[in-house]
Amino acid sequence: SQQGEEDPQALSIQEGENATMNCSYKTSINNLQWYRQNSGRGLVHLILIRSNEREKHSGRLRVTLDTSKKSSSLLITASRAADTASYFCAPNTGGFKTIFGAGTRLFVKA
Amino acid sequence: DTEVTQTPKHLVMGMTNKKSLKCEQHMGHRAMYWYKQKAKKPPELMFVYSYEKLSINESVPSRFSPECPNSSLLNLHLHALQPEDSALYLCASSTPSGIAGAPFHSTDTQYFGPGTRLTVL
Repeated sequence: SQQGEEDPQALSIQEGENATMNCSYKTSINNLQWYRQNSGRGLVHLILIRSNEREKHSGRLRVTLDTSKKSSSLLITASRAADTASYFCAPNTGGFKTIFGAGTRLFVKA
Repeated sequence: DTEVTQTPKHLVMGMTNKKSLKCEQHMGHRAMYWYKQKAKKPPELMFVYSYEKLSINESVPSRFSPECPNSSLLNLHLHALQPEDSALYLCASSTPSGIAGAPFHSTDTQYFGPGTRLTVL
């Protein structure tokens, strides 16, 4: 596995706005996952996108994957205060070893 | 049951103490993980168990001793820790379940427990 790099490091938006965060990685992957972590708690898996997929939706989440650019984005539409959390991407090249990037800290103001 | 449980939620220990963290899952997962997370940092992998055997040890100091007594349980034994070991310790588990010894081709979804907040005085 390898580490993803998230961008931006921090994001502050108003409730109802959309939030977009990006993840870049260095080598070919089997899949890429996004996780959310509320303050001081465990991580929650949000979505997995495989290398042969370009876009995936889950509720208000939309994930895209561009393997030619080695990048992925996570879009949260119509954000809510409860979306305030840190978001981590985890690109995976196979095996068990998952290395999380530094994460994007999202703050949604009510 | 899609839950990973961890006990205790909080632990305060002195540098001479011996304590253990416990993690349990009943999802039939055969891979289990320990992560360490410092404040405002991502989780860092410590150990991975696959079919109750230690698969990965990320050069963790010997004062941390993992144990996987069965497919549902994962322990982390702590001894002679340092204040810098204070952190949130997260346990996770993942698929696939089933055929013993089958090769794992990629990491599937990891299910995380809520963590144990450890403070070393």
